[in-house]
Amino acid sequence: DTAVSQTPKYLVTQMGNDKSIKCEQNLGHDTMYWYKQDSKKFLKIMFSYNNKELIINETVPNRFSPKSPDKAHLNLHINSLELGDSAVYFCASSQEWGANQPQHFGDGTRLSIL
Amino acid sequence: QQQVKQSPQSLIVQKGGISIINCAYENTAFDYFPWYQQFPGKGPALLIAIRPDVSEKKEGRFTISFNKSAKQFSLHIMDSQPGDSATYFCAAGSGGQAGTALIFGKGTTLSVSS
Repeated sequence: DTAVSQTPKYLVTQMGNDKSIKCEQNLGHDTMYWYKQDSKKFLKIMFSYNNKELIINETVPNRFSPKSPDKAHLNLHINSLELGDSAVYFCASSQEWGANQPQHFGDGTRLSIL
Repeated sequence: QQQVKQSPQSLIVQKGGISIINCAYENTAFDYFPWYQQFPGKGPALLIAIRPDVSEKKEGRFTISFNKSAKQFSLHIMDSQPGDSATYFCAAGSGGQAGTALIFGKGTTLSVSS
């Protein structure tokens, strides 16, 4: 069983479209994250939810909206996609909130904007 | 204050050699320093981590050295193997409920030649 699973694995779409990425974890963790990894492999946190409550919302355009329907799921919806949104998006989870908690990452969603 | 600086950007080591990756941080409140390993097409995975109350931690062929006064830490991979070829990220943050998110370095791409 995959611990943190993301769908889809690849997403190719045109500028201006709206798309969603889904994430599910079966580890029973309380905290989930979305990261963006750019073409230079730089990994930057976007959002974090703890017990379905948003606790980190980095400087991310408001076209990006996370939603956590329950502790096991954290989805990412992106409106009006732009060329600069092309990246790999990783979902991760940890037992509790805090930098000292090991994070378990999914295998990423590669988003390509045409 | 929030940056974690990682070097080198890329590293080529012969099989059996020692790989050394260095990181420096600025925020003295950070109290957790993990290293993550990422293979192509996969998400990062926790490799080893250290807290500032110890100067060294070893797990198998992987060792973290920590210098609190210099605000630096490094990853040493002994007897490097081709299977170690991956991107390595250092990170830093502070734990607990009032803690911070992990701040990642920009990554080091390690190639171990056979």
